[in-house]
Amino acid sequence: AQKVTQAQTEISVVEKEDVTLDCVYETRDTTYYLFWYKQPPSGELVFLIRRNSFDEQNEISGRYSWNFQKSTSSFNFTITASQVVDSAVYFCALRKGYSTLTFGKGTMLLVSP
Amino acid sequence: DGGITQSPKYLFRKEGQNVTLSCEQNLNHDAMYWYRQDPGQGLRLIYYSQIVNDFQKGDIAEGYSVSREKKESFPLTVTSAQKNPTAFYLCASSSSGWDGELFFGEGSRLTVL
Repeated sequence: AQKVTQAQTEISVVEKEDVTLDCVYETRDTTYYLFWYKQPPSGELVFLIRRNSFDEQNEISGRYSWNFQKSTSSFNFTITASQVVDSAVYFCALRKGYSTLTFGKGTMLLVSP
Repeated sequence: DGGITQSPKYLFRKEGQNVTLSCEQNLNHDAMYWYRQDPGQGLRLIYYSQIVNDFQKGDIAEGYSVSREKKESFPLTVTSAQKNPTAFYLCASSSSGWDGELFFGEGSRLTVL
């Protein structure tokens, strides 16, 4: 069975602070994909990043960065210099083979001015 | 623009009534999914379909039914057998490759009175 754990239920920061959202996953497979999605108040989930299990390179996209470590089964997400518009629920998800996505329970990020 | 359209956005239903949520996509995706979201529970898979005229149960299929008669459409019926139907329902689609991300609609919020 596969499982995704996002231990942080809610995080509150002040604008311009850096914040890291944790994601720990469990799977017995050697080939899989990991994803991060953002869910703003409007409700629609927005795709942020996909990473396959063979690629442990960190990824940076503007203020967003992702750290994938197979040794600790973690795929953490960092927002640098957070902004109010970053306030949302963020989901980490795992996909193995042709199966469906397994989501974590999400982390609500509140960025105050 | 290509995307996923869910309707209605808000729906109220009396206990004992069936209700059907619509999901249409124009992304030419083979696979479609229905997820249910409850506060603090993340997203849980109800049903999914990888090809027309075929679908499989997800983790919480009891009390729900689906059909996939056309590639573009994957309606979800919430039946009176569903014990606790009040929730936010999200429809998604993806390409047939196992590495594809899911694209989501804006969701439908169902409230049972």
